[in-house]
Amino acid sequence: AQTVTQSQPEMSVQEAETVTLSCTYDTSESDYYLFWYKQPPSRQMILVIRQEAYKQQNATENRFSVNFQKAAKSFSLKISDSQLGDAAMYFCAYRKGGATNKLIFGTGTLLAVQP
Amino acid sequence: KAGVTQTPRYLIKTRGQQVTLSCSPISGHRSVSWYQQTPGQGLQFLFEYFSETQRNKGNFPGRFSGRQFSNSRSEMNVSTLELGDSALYLCASSLVAGGGETQYFGPGTRLLVL
Repeated sequence: AQTVTQSQPEMSVQEAETVTLSCTYDTSESDYYLFWYKQPPSRQMILVIRQEAYKQQNATENRFSVNFQKAAKSFSLKISDSQLGDAAMYFCAYRKGGATNKLIFGTGTLLAVQP
Repeated sequence: KAGVTQTPRYLIKTRGQQVTLSCSPISGHRSVSWYQQTPGQGLQFLFEYFSETQRNKGNFPGRFSGRQFSNSRSEMNVSTLELGDSALYLCASSLVAGGGETQYFGPGTRLLVL
């Protein structure tokens, strides 16, 4: 069975600084996708970034980028120039390839941004 | 384009009752998935539907059921409610199932069982 592990329950970063959130996963599949979702206090889940396993290049979305280490099964999220609005719970998620949308989530990392 | 909508947003029920939650996907989306979020168990997959067919089901008791209608709207039902069913229930939709599709989540329904 696939699993997703987030070992940092809470993180804190100063505004304008950079922070990295860690995520590891376990799977025997070769075709899969990885995601980072943000859940602010409103509880609305928002997709931050996604990575296809077959792509070697790390995904980037503006201030958000990932470090995808396929052999190590590691998928960390880097947030640059942190803003107050980045404060939220961040979930790492895995989805295997094929005709399914089933996401397996990690336990989340609560990110606080200090002004 | 309107986002995923879920109704009701908040619900209070008592043990033993049943409840039905509704999810309207983004227009044109045919795939709907449901998740349960609790402080203890985190986010857990309930089931997913595509074109009125259940494609996948999570590890939940038979008290949890769902369906999808021809207009892609989906409902989930929980019968004989237990205290542990108190949770935020999230629905997500996408155009199709799998591939490179992005899932968009609704705001959730918060269920409290007393």
